[in-house]
Parts: sequence; C-alpha cells; structure tokens
Amino acid sequence: QQQVKQSPQSLIVQKGGISIINCAYENTAFDYFPWYQQFPGKGPALLIAIRPDVSEKKEGRFTISFNKSAKQFSLHIMDSQPGDSATYFCAAWGGGSQGNLIFGKGTKLSVKP
Amino acid sequence: NAGVTQTPKFQVLKTGQSMTLQCAQDMNHEYMSWYRQDPGMGLRLIHYSVGAGITDQGEVPNGYNVSRSTTEDFPLRLLSAAPSQTSVYFCASRRTLNRGNNSPLHFGNGTRLTVT
Repeated sequence: QQQVKQSPQSLIVQKGGISIINCAYENTAFDYFPWYQQFPGKGPALLIAIRPDVSEKKEGRFTISFNKSAKQFSLHIMDSQPGDSATYFCAAWGGGSQGNLIFGKGTKLSVKP
Repeated sequence: NAGVTQTPKFQVLKTGQSMTLQCAQDMNHEYMSWYRQDPGMGLRLIHYSVGAGITDQGEVPNGYNVSRSTTEDFPLRLLSAAPSQTSVYFCASRRTLNRGNNSPLHFGNGTRLTVT
C-alpha cells in the first residue's frame, strides 16, 4: 500500500526522441506526485509535480500524465537532450501530516547524441 | 543561502565504528529528513523531524539515531557501523509540512559511506 513502483530501471534514448518513465501506486490516499531529477554526485531536485485532480501538467519539454482510475502516472520528456541524462525518481505523498515522500526506485536515463 | 549542507562528502569506516553524518540547512525549514540511496532500491527514508525536539522513524531506522536540538541541524548517528550500511546518505529539508510545489524537498549533495 505504501509502495510506488517505477519502470523501467534504465532507458536509452536517441537525441530528439521521447523518453517515457512510468509509475504506479496502490494507496488512494496519495494526493501529490512529484518527479525528481538527479545528476551524478548531486542530490535529487524537484523537476515537476502534479495533483490527481488534473490529468496532465506540462513544463517546457517535461510532461506528467496522470491516470487516477488506473493509479498510474508517467513522465514524458520530449525532444530528449544529452543534458537530460540523469536518474529520475517518481514519488508520492505518504499521507498524514508528517510530510514524508515515498520514492520509486529510479530510472537511469541516457540520451545518446 | 547555502541550502542543505552535508559533511563529510566521503567516509570509510570499519565495522563496529561509530560516526555522525552532519546536516545543516540555512533556510529555516521546519521539516528535515535522512534518506539512504542504494542501487536498485531508490531513496528510503531513515528518520525525519517535523521541528526542533521532534523526531520519528522512517522506513529503515535500525542502526541509526537522530536528534534535532535546533531548527538548522539534523545529525545522523551510526551507532555501530555494519557493511549493510554502505550507502549514499542524503539529508533533505522542506519549508513546511504542507505538500505542494511551494514547499519542495531540498536535498544536500550526499555523503558516500563505505563500511569495511
């Protein structure tokens, strides 16, 4: 109930292609879904986030699609660039007042020039 | 603002040794937390604090202690290091307990710990 399942574990995309990372959750109490981006040697940083009352949120080349009935959400990176090569984590708010995020296991994206 | 500062960046310990990983934030954030990152395991919450003097356990608290005597500092103590604690440790803070983009989780750059 407290897990967030993320796939794939790794992804290789050509420059200019679309990168798609998928996440699924079970706990219907989750109501905030951020994505974090992590470059080697750095801590994760917030990339984009969505609430379940909208089906899509777009910021530049990054789009989150949200399917509440299926309890799934995904990150789409359009026109992928080598600079997008990083590890991406989806996450969900764990409910309650503590403010804890539950993270997926991460996807290592490599964008080939 | 320095953000979230973690020290040291790297550490090697022998089994049974103890040490403290330091974390400090200068953003006056209420919430602070410690995660460990292991290959294929993602980020797992060790301990967290919702304010000075208040701490609680996360998903993987065994073998670790924390305290929060000030708003700024949230050290993580390894009581008796074990090889299973070899990991990259991240400290993170957030301004408020509320979720939402106006209160994202800010991470430090991590401490890479090896226990031999």
